[in-house]
Amino acid sequence: DAGVIQSPRHEVTEMGQEVTLRCKPISGHDYLFWYRQTMMRGLELLIYFNNNVPIDDSGMPEDRFSAKMPNASFSTLKIQPSEPRDSAVYFCASSLFGQGRSPLHFGNGTRLTVT
Amino acid sequence: SQQGEEDPQALSIQEGENATMNCSYKTSINNLQWYRQNSGRGLVHLILIRSNEREKHSGRLRVTLDTSKKSSSLLITASRAADTASYFCATIDTGANSKLTFGKGITLSVRP
Repeated sequence: DAGVIQSPRHEVTEMGQEVTLRCKPISGHDYLFWYRQTMMRGLELLIYFNNNVPIDDSGMPEDRFSAKMPNASFSTLKIQPSEPRDSAVYFCASSLFGQGRSPLHFGNGTRLTVT
Repeated sequence: SQQGEEDPQALSIQEGENATMNCSYKTSINNLQWYRQNSGRGLVHLILIRSNEREKHSGRLRVTLDTSKKSSSLLITASRAADTASYFCATIDTGANSKLTFGKGITLSVRP
């Protein structure tokens, strides 16, 4: 079991550029979550999917953020255009069940810096 | 919005000592989970305790849950330098569309 795989590990971009973060969940996990972690706000849930369908995107900060899950083994989080305040570590996590009934398995995150 | 709040925010102890970390929350919950995060890494699940359980053990970890006080504690016995990390509690409330929400974490430093 390779765990949740995220890419890239680090991303540095200029304000206004498009950023795409990628995630491969653990095979067989029906739920996929995108979190953002900052010192000020801690871990925030942005969006989660069940069986590739977005269930709750109320945490997505603005229309500049979008997420897709075209199949069970791949998800993307896109920011267009990026802004310096988007700088954070973005985590993808997957779980067998939703509603916190089973543990979340996190990837090692993508550290995004927008200059 | 933050549900669980950990206490203290930072803890520094000597190797071999026990570390106790606390978490308080506001609403009724289905379960409470503890996670560890090493620097530069993702969170790793440690233990899940359900609302009808009072205590759970896993190796050197002991978690208690007091639903009447809306609080939980994580005890790490005989700490090691490798236990140095941030520890988070996460709760899921009993609402129909509830989501797992994390506290801001406790930074534990174990001095060799």
